[in-house]
Amino acid sequence: DAGITQSPRHKVTETGTPVTLRCHQTENHRYMYWYRQDPGHGLRLIHYSYGVKDTDKGEVSDGYSVSRSKTEDFLLTLESATSSQTSVYFCAISESPAAGELFFGEGSRLTVL
Amino acid sequence: GQQVMQIPQYQHVQEGEDFTTYCNSSTTLSNIQWYKQRPGGHPVFLIQLVKSGEVKKQKRLTFQFGEAKKNSSLHITATQTTDVGTYFCAVLNTNAGKSTFGDGTTLTVKP
Repeated sequence: DAGITQSPRHKVTETGTPVTLRCHQTENHRYMYWYRQDPGHGLRLIHYSYGVKDTDKGEVSDGYSVSRSKTEDFLLTLESATSSQTSVYFCAISESPAAGELFFGEGSRLTVL
Repeated sequence: GQQVMQIPQYQHVQEGEDFTTYCNSSTTLSNIQWYKQRPGGHPVFLIQLVKSGEVKKQKRLTFQFGEAKKNSSLHITATQTTDVGTYFCAVLNTNAGKSTFGDGTTLTVKP
């Protein structure tokens, strides 16, 4: 398996609180992604990064922000969590668009009460 | 981004039966990828197809890309209990490096 670590793996929080999920990779891949997975919706892209300090929005970016200050770390922040953000969050990495293959982390299960 | 629809959403089979999931698009696709996610696990890349009419095999799995590049299928011959999970198709935007996923087909196999 690719060296991808997500933390925390499980979190329960209350509506209105800030939450930060961390994705750490040891593969030195340039591209990093945050997806959320909900029943019946497959995997939906939240934000992605194509280099240090270079990020862009995905299809469901509202309510989320990201930061990438180092190649190996990609942070996903929910400034004020809502119940609709209860989900499983997956980080993924890719060497390059041409390479095609995404390597996924183990996922972070977030519950917002 | 390019949208893909997967059918069926669920499939229940007896062990030994065949299984097929389909991925369809209204527009021409530049490529199609397939991923498998075991229950409680994370998606794992299986294959990428790029050529019209392409067929690739991985043991009991056969992947096809339609002649018009608007559909793809994954066929599993003689399913085993190890095949359970959700199979996703995805389209890679090679310019932006983003993949758009279908909603997946969840396969259960009864021993």
